[in-house]
Amino acid sequence: AQKVTQAQTEISVVEKEDVTLDCVYETRDTTYYLFWYKQPPSGELVFLIRRNSFDEQNEISGRYSWNFQKSTSSFNFTITASQVVDSAVYFCALSGDLGSYNTNAGKSTFGDGTTLTVKP
Amino acid sequence: DTGVSQDPRHKITKRGQNVTFRCDPISEHNRLYWYRQTLGQGPEFLTYFQNEAQLEKSRLLSDRFSAERPKGSFSTLEIQRTEQGDSAMYLCASSDRQGAYGYTFGSGTRLTVV
Repeated sequence: AQKVTQAQTEISVVEKEDVTLDCVYETRDTTYYLFWYKQPPSGELVFLIRRNSFDEQNEISGRYSWNFQKSTSSFNFTITASQVVDSAVYFCALSGDLGSYNTNAGKSTFGDGTTLTVKP
Repeated sequence: DTGVSQDPRHKITKRGQNVTFRCDPISEHNRLYWYRQTLGQGPEFLTYFQNEAQLEKSRLLSDRFSAERPKGSFSTLEIQRTEQGDSAMYLCASSDRQGAYGYTFGSGTRLTVV
């Protein structure tokens, strides 16, 4: 069975602070994918990033960066110079090999999310 | 394409009634997923389709839940004999087979069973 743990239930920061959201996962698959989604107050989940298990390179996209460490089964998400618009619930998710037909292939297992509040 | 559409946005029903939700995925996406989300929790997998084939259904799903995707286009999720515990946000998502861009989620249908 797959499992995703987001230990931080809520985080509150002041605008312009950097913040890191933690994600730890468990899987027996050798090929898997990790995702981050953002759920703003409006409610619709928005895809942010996908990483596969063979690519441990860190990724940066503007103020967002992701640190994937297979050795610790973690896929952490950092927002640099946070802004009020970053306030949302952030979910980490895990799925099996999307191109195959094994049990975990078609579904993503989500963590329970981290609520980030950025205060002006 | 306007993304994933779900209808209705809100549904209030009495316990014991049947309800049906509809999802229209992005037309190029051959995978369609149903998830359920309750307050303070992450989305919980219910079922998914590859084209018209239902490839997996969560063991957590009782027999009161059924989903279809005729002709691999839109999908419906039906809940029979609703219970108060069914109250949740029902999310539909779609993706291409490779999922390179993750799921595209709809806005969800909020079900309240009274």
